[in-house]
Amino acid sequence: EIVLTQSPDFQSVTPKEKVTITCRASQSIGTNLHWYQQKPGQSPKLLIKSASQSFSGVPSRFSGSGSGTDFTLTINSLEAEDAATYYCHQSSSFPTFGQGTRLEIK
Amino acid sequence: EVQLVESGGGLVQPGRSLRLSCTASGFTFGDYAMSWFRQAPGKGLEWVGFIRSKAYGGTTEYAASVKGRFTISRDDSKSIAYLQMNSLKTEDTAVYYCTRGAAAGRAYWGQGTLVTVSS
Repeated sequence: EIVLTQSPDFQSVTPKEKVTITCRASQSIGTNLHWYQQKPGQSPKLLIKSASQSFSGVPSRFSGSGSGTDFTLTINSLEAEDAATYYCHQSSSFPTFGQGTRLEIK
Repeated sequence: EVQLVESGGGLVQPGRSLRLSCTASGFTFGDYAMSWFRQAPGKGLEWVGFIRSKAYGGTTEYAASVKGRFTISRDDSKSIAYLQMNSLKTEDTAVYYCTRGAAAGRAYWGQGTLVTVSS
């Protein structure tokens, strides 16, 4: 099983700040890494697919990068509506997820 | 518009069975694999399993935590995927989601259905 480790687990940030969330895989997964946003009581929403491809309709302030074992989700100019938990997910083998990063807006 | 609607959740005693349904619309259901995920209360996301399309044999794969207890099937004529859950344990308590596809980023998720396993 491929283990994904996200950091940080929690971050409290102010609006307009830039946020970086990292996801490290226990073995190389190429670019088979995807990012989701989940708000309480809602299903996950795909933000970034294949490490760096923005999904349709996702605001341009969300971007992804990385390959192999190290990946990053960046949120530029954070907005209040970005308060959520963010998960990375690998599809290189049977799916696994990171433990999640909860983002709180101050 | 792609829509996925899960149903069949509820309260069930340990050791009993439950069958969830995922009703799809807005796409040619038979052309796609279908997957199930779950999320225990306050916890992260966990893959449960998937079923391939008939073109790829309609075969299934499962997470180790449910293998031998859960079975995924599909009825392409009704555009429904099923998750048959037997020998339920308290640790199976979760919101269960279905998604379209079995690889890459999952763009389409249902709203989820809550399964509570408790005596």
